[in-house]
Amino acid sequence: GAVVSQHPSWVICKSGTSVKIECRSLDFQATTMFWYRQFPKQSLMLMATSNEGSKATYEQGVEKDKFLINHASLTLSTLTVTSAHPEDSSFYICSAARGDSNTEAFFGQGTRLTVV
Amino acid sequence: EDQVTQSPEALRLQEGESSSLNCSYTVSGLRGLFWYRQDPGKGPEFLFTLYSAGEEKEKERLKATLTKKESFLHITAPKPEDSATYLCGDTGRRALTFGSGTRLQVQP
Repeated sequence: GAVVSQHPSWVICKSGTSVKIECRSLDFQATTMFWYRQFPKQSLMLMATSNEGSKATYEQGVEKDKFLINHASLTLSTLTVTSAHPEDSSFYICSAARGDSNTEAFFGQGTRLTVV
Repeated sequence: EDQVTQSPEALRLQEGESSSLNCSYTVSGLRGLFWYRQDPGKGPEFLFTLYSAGEEKEKERLKATLTKKESFLHITAPKPEDSATYLCGDTGRRALTFGSGTRLQVQP
C-alpha cells in the first residue's frame, strides 16, 4: 500500500505556543488530504479536508483560525495548532487518498499532542 | 441523518474462538463500506472496502461481508495479534466517516 508519513509522532508544548504537524504522501500525489482528531477510546472525528492549492474545508465546530491547514504541494499538508491549550491535547491523524478515489485512504501514524 | 453504528463496543475472545463484529449503516448514497484496523497510538490500517450487497472479501483470518443494511467482519480462529480496534465507516463523502469502533482483545 501507499505510504503516508506524519511528523512528529509526539510533541509536548506549553500553553499559548503553536505546534505544526506535517503529513506527507511519500510515493503518490494526493490532491486531497484529511485531518482527524481522536480522543482516547473514541473514533476518529474529521476536522477538515485539505485541498492542494486552495483553502481547506472545515467541519462544523472546528475553529479554522485555531487549526491552520496548508496544502502547498501534492505531497505535503500541514496542520498548525495555534495558541494551544490543554484541551487541544489529543491524537491527530492525517490521511490521503490517491487520485480521485477515496475508497482506499492511507493514514499517517498519528501525532500525540500534549499541551501543558 | 447518515449514521454508522458498530457493535459490540468491546469484545474479548479466547485464542481460536471465532466471532463477528457488526457495522450497521443508514447512509444515503453509500459509495462503499470500509473496514480498518487501528492499533493503540497508531493510524488506521486499511483492511477492506465493500461496494455492493452480497460482496465478500477475505484477508487471512478476516472476512468482511455486506448486506443492504449492515456489514460483518468475521474473525476465524483469532490470535492475540488480532487484538486491535476495528473501525468501519462509509465513503459516501469525500472523506471517510468512521463508526465508534469495536475494541477486540484476544487472549492466549
